Amino acid sequence: EIVLTQSPGTLSLSPGERATLSCRASQSVTTNYLAWYQQKPGQAPRLLIYGASNRATGIPDRFSGSGSGTDFTLTISRLEPEDFAVYYCQQYGTSSLTFGPGTKVHVK
Amino acid sequence: EVQLLESGGDMVQPGGSLRLSCAASGFIFSNYAMSWVRQAPGKGLEWVSSISVSGGNTYYADSVKGRFTISRDNSKNTLYLQMDSLRAGDTAIYFCAKSGSSFPLWYSHHWGQGTLVTVSS
Repeated sequence: EIVLTQSPGTLSLSPGERATLSCRASQSVTTNYLAWYQQKPGQAPRLLIYGASNRATGIPDRFSGSGSGTDFTLTISRLEPEDFAVYYCQQYGTSSLTFGPGTKVHVK
Repeated sequence: EVQLLESGGDMVQPGGSLRLSCAASGFIFSNYAMSWVRQAPGKGLEWVSSISVSGGNTYYADSVKGRFTISRDNSKNTLYLQMDSLRAGDTAIYFCAKSGSSFPLWYSHHWGQGTLVTVSS
């Protein structure tokens, strides 16, 4: 089973700032099968990125994903008020799907 | 518009059983693999189980293998999760999720709002 580690655990930023979130895998992720989700309190997760760098339908272009192998990054170029949330990475395409523990982005 | 509506969550005693349902609409249900993902109170996301488009292939997290059974009825556009031998550690919100493709072990493109399962005496 691939274990995902996310850092930092918490990110304190102001609207307009750039957010850089990291996701590291315990072993190489097959064909960059890595997704990112956003979750707000009391809501279901929302798919942001799949295939490490492909934005899902309707996701603003301030969200971007990059990386390969074991190191992946989600970047939010300029934080909007609605972007303060918890972000999870997930690896897929293996016999056991796993999520990272999440990074909480909150208002500084 | 894709809609996934979970139901069946309840409070149950340890060792008990529960069946969750997820009614799907807004897409061709039989074309997509489906999954259940859970979230314990205040915790992160945990994949529980996935099923192929036909229902012939199923996959489980080790934590629920042998206790939970995923199934689907394509004629009713409904996904199920039969949960037996429930434990306190199974307490969570259970989300129904639509795969991004026909492949079951994939990212989840759409999610329901979840149904709460509480296992307590």
